[in-house]
Amino acid sequence: GAVVSQHPSRVICKSGTSVKIECRSLDFQATTMFWYRQFPKQSLMLMATSNEGSKATYEQGVEKDKFLINHASLTLSTLTVTSAHPEDSSFYICSARMIGARYNEQFFGPGTRLTVL
Amino acid sequence: ELKVEQNPLFLSMQEGKNYTIYCNYSTTSDRLYWYRQDPGKSLESLFVLLSNGAVKQEGRLMASLDTKARLSTLHITAAVHDLSATYFCAVDLYNTDKLIFGTGTRLQVFP
Repeated sequence: GAVVSQHPSRVICKSGTSVKIECRSLDFQATTMFWYRQFPKQSLMLMATSNEGSKATYEQGVEKDKFLINHASLTLSTLTVTSAHPEDSSFYICSARMIGARYNEQFFGPGTRLTVL
Repeated sequence: ELKVEQNPLFLSMQEGKNYTIYCNYSTTSDRLYWYRQDPGKSLESLFVLLSNGAVKQEGRLMASLDTKARLSTLHITAAVHDLSATYFCAVDLYNTDKLIFGTGTRLQVFP
């Protein structure tokens, strides 16, 4: 149980294009989903928190117009990297927290490796 | 500013040996999580520690939490190669939804 999927797992795109990454909770409903970014050999940095039906809350320094987050349902959140540039190349990981969870245990997706040429 | 620091950042150890990874954090929290990450993969949950004095064990790994000292430990007993991975602790930031991740400890176990 508690499986989170991400699609695509890997994407290569040209500079200036937009890329959409999907995050789905497969066997549970998630009140909240989180988007993280991880550079090679570094820790996870929280980018934003999204709640179904409301606007995402972005961490300081994360451009909301560049990283568009849509949490359309209790099982789906999307991250769109708009006008991607090489410096946006990174490993993007989503996580989800179950409805009714008593504490903040998060279940992580497999990650999406974005390479911008 | 909240800091979550792990020590050591890199650990190379021989099979069969014991070692402890430390996770120090700078704010009030009584919940801490340990995760494992294999290269190119996402995070696998290892332990959830929910109160002061909590101790959990699974196989060769044992985690503990001391909220007064703001310290968690991950102890490795008789290491085997399969334990090679990066280990992260994450602190539940009080009164928020957020997890703040530690710097990570890259563990390599050699024969």
